[in-house]
Amino acid sequence: EDQVTQSPEALRLQEGESSSLNCSYTVSGLRGLFWYRQDPGKGPEFLFTLYSAGEEKEKERLKATLTKKESFLHITAPKPEDSATYLCAVQAGDYGQNFVFGPGTRLSVLP
Amino acid sequence: DTGVSQDPRHKITKRGQNVTFRCDPISEHNRLYWYRQTLGQGPEFLTYFQNEAQLEKSRLLSDRFSAERPKGSFSTLEIQRTEQGDSAMYLCASSWGLAGVDTGELFFGEGSRLTVL
Repeated sequence: EDQVTQSPEALRLQEGESSSLNCSYTVSGLRGLFWYRQDPGKGPEFLFTLYSAGEEKEKERLKATLTKKESFLHITAPKPEDSATYLCAVQAGDYGQNFVFGPGTRLSVLP
Repeated sequence: DTGVSQDPRHKITKRGQNVTFRCDPISEHNRLYWYRQTLGQGPEFLTYFQNEAQLEKSRLLSDRFSAERPKGSFSTLEIQRTEQGDSAMYLCASSWGLAGVDTGELFFGEGSRLTVL
């Protein structure tokens, strides 16, 4: 069964203090790994898609990387508006649209 | 385009009652998904439509849950004989995709929060 775990469960940073969030996955035949951001009371918002090991994507202060077993979301010089829950999801198998989400990392950036 | 809209945003019901949620996807999107999310957890897949056809359904989904997408436009999710364990946020998402072409970018609505007393 496809599984996604994320660590840490919660992370508190000072503004400007860079860090990384981890997403580990166990799937058969990864088709894609996705990062989403979710603000309280809102639906998740898409950030990145990664398809193969070694791939990297960047957007503003965020950079996502992928290896064969895990993905990292690097946050450089975060600002308070980066506070949110960051979700990782995978899509596996030859077909199907079942995106399996991890439990998320709750990030708080203090001014 | 106003994005994915869901209605109602909040629903409080008594155990044993039926509830129905509606989702209006982004108009040009052919794919529609329902997810369920509880506090502190990521979204859990419930079901998926391509146009009007329901192509996937979670094995964990009770037969009290049914979803439809008539004419490939809006979708409804009905829960019959609700139980307290059904209390959750029900999220709808849509996307555009073809076989072999999949960005994985889902556009989520703000969800319908269900509380079963």
